[in-house]
Amino acid sequence: GENVEQHPSTLSVQEGDSAVIKCTYSDSASNYFPWYKQELGKGPQLIIDIRSNVGEKKDQRIAVTLNKTAKHFSLHITETQPEDSAVYFCAAITGGFKTIFGAGTRLFVKA
Amino acid sequence: KAGVTQTPRYLIKTRGQQVTLSCSPISGHRSVSWYQQTPGQGLQFLFEYFSETQRNKGNFPGRFSGRQFSNSRSEMNVSTLELGDSALYLCASSPDRPQETQYFGPGTRLLVL
Repeated sequence: GENVEQHPSTLSVQEGDSAVIKCTYSDSASNYFPWYKQELGKGPQLIIDIRSNVGEKKDQRIAVTLNKTAKHFSLHITETQPEDSAVYFCAAITGGFKTIFGAGTRLFVKA
Repeated sequence: KAGVTQTPRYLIKTRGQQVTLSCSPISGHRSVSWYQQTPGQGLQFLFEYFSETQRNKGNFPGRFSGRQFSNSRSEMNVSTLELGDSALYLCASSPDRPQETQYFGPGTRLLVL
């Protein structure tokens, strides 16, 4: 079936270091890949997204890369700050227009 | 623009009861999707509504249903509640298709006793 695998489930970094979260999707017809940040008590918030015709996208300290051949995409956060601590979800929109989420990565940024 | 709003924010029900949750999308957004979030299963897609029609559906039993009104507001209903229905129910809206940016509400936390 359609699924998205996300790793790692927990990530702890020192403030100022980089963090990388990786996802793999199964539906080769997927063409839109958003990333969400969820803080305690809140709904997920879109932080960056990428479409299948682009290999990389960057927005300040956040970047996403996509490898369609390998069905793999990654989130990169540079110069991490304590306020980056949250749960991050990757997602893929399938060819059937369903949003399939990864299991989430809990990021801890230690000051 | 006001964000996605969901009511109520918290709800406690007992097994066998039914519950209705409400979602008001961002003004101008016509697509509303519902998700269930639990620690064990993560974020799972329930269904999506567009122009008062269910356009897509996830793999949930028929006890879970929804509808959308002409003003794009949406409700979801869960009948014959089970303990396993305890979860955070999230609503998200987008202008048209889910491939466009989805904006999530804060969710309704449902506890079934």
